[in-house]
Amino acid sequence: GENVGLHLPTLSVQEGDNSIINCAYSNSASDYFIWYKQESGKGPQFIIDIRSNMDKRQGQRVTVLLNKTVKHLSLQIAATQPGDSAVYFCAASSGGSNYKLTFGKGTLLTVNP
Amino acid sequence: GAVVSQHPSRVICKSGTSVKIECRSLDFQATTMFWYRQFPKQSLMLMATSNEGSKATYEQGVEKDKFLINHASLTLSTLTVTSAHPEDSSFYICSASTPLNTEAFFGQGTRLTVV
Repeated sequence: GENVGLHLPTLSVQEGDNSIINCAYSNSASDYFIWYKQESGKGPQFIIDIRSNMDKRQGQRVTVLLNKTVKHLSLQIAATQPGDSAVYFCAASSGGSNYKLTFGKGTLLTVNP
Repeated sequence: GAVVSQHPSRVICKSGTSVKIECRSLDFQATTMFWYRQFPKQSLMLMATSNEGSKATYEQGVEKDKFLINHASLTLSTLTVTSAHPEDSSFYICSASTPLNTEAFFGQGTRLTVV
């Protein structure tokens, strides 16, 4: 089965700095990865995804890097803003998004103004 | 993007009663929906996979007779917590995927408190 975890449970950054959140997974069959942002009392909000045939994908202010060799992915947030403060989860599946996702533990990102 | 709506957003019920949570895909058809449970300061744990027109698939350790799932249409799945107890108090979240098998969309969650 899947085992997806995060290296750091909390991350505190200054506004304007770049943030990097890391995630490790154990199932080599994982082929689809997603980063979610969850604000208090709300459901997860999709940030960015990446499939295993890619090693990098960029969105607006966010970049996801995938290293299949070491089963690691990261989320980079450029010019972090106070509104980015939330818990960030990585999730992985082995069948695209129609297959069940296994979530990591989550990293609490706090952005200091 | 596609919208998934959950109802209610919050519910308080007495111990021993049953509670139904609805998950609707508002602008797309979802053959598969997923139900998750999240305890405070913890991650989402998959409870079951809801398949339209067939029985749900439950994860190990999740009691199917306690957490009844019905996916009667392509836009609605329901989770009924039967004979609820205080330890069932949690944040329940559903998700659904578009037919194109791209990103999964999550509902806003339901905070269940059993007193």
